[in-house]
Amino acid sequence: NAGVTQTPKFQVLKTGQSMTLQCAQDMNHNSMYWYRQDPGMGLRLIYYSASEGTTDKGEVPNGYNVSRLNKREFSLRLESAAPSQTSVYFCASSIRVSNQPQHFGDGTRLSIL
Amino acid sequence: TQLLEQSPQFLSIQEGENLTVYCNSSSVFSSLQWYRQEPGEGPVLLVTVVTGGEVKKLKRLTFQFGDARKDSSLHITAAQPGDTGLYLCAGAGDSNYQLIWGAGTKLIIKP
Repeated sequence: NAGVTQTPKFQVLKTGQSMTLQCAQDMNHNSMYWYRQDPGMGLRLIYYSASEGTTDKGEVPNGYNVSRLNKREFSLRLESAAPSQTSVYFCASSIRVSNQPQHFGDGTRLSIL
Repeated sequence: TQLLEQSPQFLSIQEGENLTVYCNSSSVFSSLQWYRQEPGEGPVLLVTVVTGGEVKKLKRLTFQFGDARKDSSLHITAAQPGDTGLYLCAGAGDSNYQLIWGAGTKLIIKP
């Protein structure tokens, strides 16, 4: 009964380093999302994938790339990390896009020094 | 650009008190969702309201969608420490691919 699983849970990077955040869901959902959450700013959509094989930009895509590896997995990559990307990153999934409820993982806490 | 404003940003009350938090916009939403987020975890859906004027109850929590579908409220009766968390509202608006999120109300219930 895992739902949405994110790895790693915590990560510290130096400016300029790269890394990939992993996300997998076992609910057979078509759509997946990556958000960042910063204090006082709520959730901001980085990228989403409406269905396997498609990805689209959200509100704050600069500095990130994504890959929808298959129906279950959706990864987020930071090619050259910057301190402004220090945040908590959440992956979510839903049956489909639009107003469907989203199911979230427990987040990756990322600090960039 | 559609925006959702939540108020208050922070609320700390004693166990047993009642409270109401608000989610307001100048835009119309086709539906609105409420989530609760506990420290170290992701948001968890509480309820979805779809019809203007709709009222939904979840034990001691009462959710209302405004008649014009521009606002919503969450009322908690006899708050308990287990209600502590960040309450987020999210609206389905013009775009059919993403939810519009409020910044949240951080609620602390003191024993």
